[in-house]
Amino acid sequence: GAVVSQHPSRVICKSGTSVKIECRSLDFQATTMFWYRQFPKQSLMLMATSNEGSKATYEQGVEKDKFLINHASLTLSTLTVTSAHPEDSSFYICSACNRDRGPNQPQHFGDGTRLSIL
Amino acid sequence: QQQVKQSPQSLIVQKGGISIINCAYENTAFDYFPWYQQFPGKGPALLIAIRPDVSEKKEGRFTISFNKSAKQFSLHIMDSQPGDSATYFCAASKRGGANNLFFGTGTRLTVIP
Repeated sequence: GAVVSQHPSRVICKSGTSVKIECRSLDFQATTMFWYRQFPKQSLMLMATSNEGSKATYEQGVEKDKFLINHASLTLSTLTVTSAHPEDSSFYICSACNRDRGPNQPQHFGDGTRLSIL
Repeated sequence: QQQVKQSPQSLIVQKGGISIINCAYENTAFDYFPWYQQFPGKGPALLIAIRPDVSEKKEGRFTISFNKSAKQFSLHIMDSQPGDSATYFCAASKRGGANNLFFGTGTRLTVIP
C-alpha cells in the first residue's frame, strides 16, 4: 500500500517551455503533498507544501510564480515549472501523506522526475 | 543552514559487516526521525523511523539508536548485503512525519561482496 506515482519520469525540453509534473497517490487519500528538489549527489530540499483545496505554502527562496502548485483533489497534485531555464534542471520529487490519520503518518515518495532544460 | 547533519558522506563495507551512519540535530522541537533509502533515479523509500521517547528501534537488519541528550541518532545495518548499496538519508520533522522533513546530506553506502 501507500503508492505514490509521479509522471513523467523524465523530461527534456527547450528553454522557455513550461513543464507540468503530476503526483498521484494511488491507494490512499493524500491530504498533504510535498514537493522537493534534489541536485546530483545532494540532499532533498523542500520547495513547497500543499494541502488539498488550499494554496501551497512555499519555502523561503522558492518563487511561487515560477513553480505553480495545484492540489485540487485528494489524489493529485501538480507542479508546473513555468518558462523553464537550464538552471531549473534538477530532480523533482513529490511525497504524500494523509494528515487526517494523525501527525505520525509517514511521507510516501514518488520516483521523481528528471527535468533537463536545454 | 543544514538542520540535520549526516556522516559519513560515503561508506564502503564488506558483505556481512555492519554499516553505521550517524546524524545530529540542533532543534529540540524535532520529534520524528526517519531514515530513507534511495536508489539511483528513484525516490526515497522509508526504511525505519523513531520518536524521541524510545532509545532504540529495530526492524529486521535495520536498527535506529537514538540519544536524546546528545541530539544524535544513527542507523545500523547488520549483515550488510550488496543489495543494500544505496544512498541513505536521515531526516527530522516537528510534530510528526506528516510535516516538513529536514533531510541530512546523505550517505552513499557501497557493500562489496
